[in-house]
Amino acid sequence: AIQLTQSPSSLSASVGDRVTITCRTSQGVSSALAWYQQKPGEPPKLLISYSSRLEGGVPSRFSGSGSGTDFTLTISGLQPEDFATYYCQLFNNYPPITFGQGTRLEIK
Amino acid sequence: QLQLQESGPGLVKPSETLSLTCNVSGGSVNSKSYYWGWIRQTPGKGLEWIGSVYYSGSAYYSPSLQSRVTISVDTSKNQFFLTLDSVTAADTAVYYCARQPNALDSWGQGTLVTVSS
Repeated sequence: AIQLTQSPSSLSASVGDRVTITCRTSQGVSSALAWYQQKPGEPPKLLISYSSRLEGGVPSRFSGSGSGTDFTLTISGLQPEDFATYYCQLFNNYPPITFGQGTRLEIK
Repeated sequence: QLQLQESGPGLVKPSETLSLTCNVSGGSVNSKSYYWGWIRQTPGKGLEWIGSVYYSGSAYYSPSLQSRVTISVDTSKNQFFLTLDSVTAADTAVYYCARQPNALDSWGQGTLVTVSS
């Protein structure tokens, strides 16, 4: 199975900052990677599919990029509601569907 | 608007079978466009995909759970189901159902299942 490595595991930032979260796959996966946001007590919310396709209703400060083995989620101009845990997910070549380990974004 | 709702016992005894239902409203499981999946999350931990089912009943599973898992669908009731056999404390988790066109674009709120005697 293709391995998915997400980093960092946690991140502290301030409102207004620009942050980047990275996922790396052990093999090339084209652009079949998604990003999710999860807040405590809630299910994950799909933000981005196919590496860079923003889901409807997701603010434009969220962006995704990458292909092959290296992918990034960038949040430009952090808002208070953005402090949450973020997961990447691989959805090609399944089974299995694989999630990254998560990145907890905390207020500095 | 699509809604998914998990239901089932919140407490299961060790070695018994966990059974959950996902009720789908505002959309149809009888669609060629989607798989329907189950995902779990252990307290304080990350997400684990369990498996997914197509409207035809064709299902595929996580290799680590495949020997204990069955996922099925009932298009007449617009529901799909999860059974997990021989549960242990390690199966204690919040269980989510979700729609899967490729990524998982709609999720239920999740249901906590505790395995304990």
